[in-house]
Amino acid sequence: SQTIHQWPATLVQPVGSPLSLECTVEGTSNPNLYWYRQAAGRGLQLLFYSIGIDQISSEVPQNLSASRPQDRQFILSSKKLLLSDSGFYLCAWSARGLGRDQPQHFGDGTRLSIL
Amino acid sequence: SQQGEEDPQALSIQEGENATMNCSYKTSINNLQWYRQNSGRGLVHLILIRSNEREKHSGRLRVTLDTSKKSSSLLITASRAADTASYFCATDDHEAAGNKLTFGGGTRVLVKP
Repeated sequence: SQTIHQWPATLVQPVGSPLSLECTVEGTSNPNLYWYRQAAGRGLQLLFYSIGIDQISSEVPQNLSASRPQDRQFILSSKKLLLSDSGFYLCAWSARGLGRDQPQHFGDGTRLSIL
Repeated sequence: SQQGEEDPQALSIQEGENATMNCSYKTSINNLQWYRQNSGRGLVHLILIRSNEREKHSGRLRVTLDTSKKSSSLLITASRAADTASYFCATDDHEAAGNKLTFGGGTRVLVKP
């Protein structure tokens, strides 16, 4: 069966420090991959999505970037964190090539606090 | 404003009662999906309804879709304390690539024992 792993679960970082959040999917190949941010008590904001290696689309302008070094690995990075980067970051995957009616499957998220 | 606005934002009911929440959206869609999120966890997919479907059932869940009104509802029957969570609708927009979903702000449901 397919699984998705996100780490770390929680992270406290000072303003101006770099960031690297990692997400890996097991049990499937060629997935679509997504990074979301969720503010407290709010809905999800799509940050990046990827339909393949070297095919990453950014949804909102920000100081974050995403990379997909392997088919089932998705990394969210920043060179210098801002206070506004605090939030709950969620990675998700969906099956590719099976039509549009596919659910997304989420990891358990990373709670990021910027001090 | 956001695609996929849920109503109400919060709902408090007694165990055994039904919980109904609504979702409105703005664009043409391929499908609409409902997800559940327990506090501090990731989202879990509950049910998907295609744009050519009007009603769908899964266990104690009933989803309706009215594309003429661009709205959907999620009904949880005979609620349990374990149903306490936030519920989100998400739309797969007709023109979007990569099976992107647009999520609403969610409905926080509290089921009191």
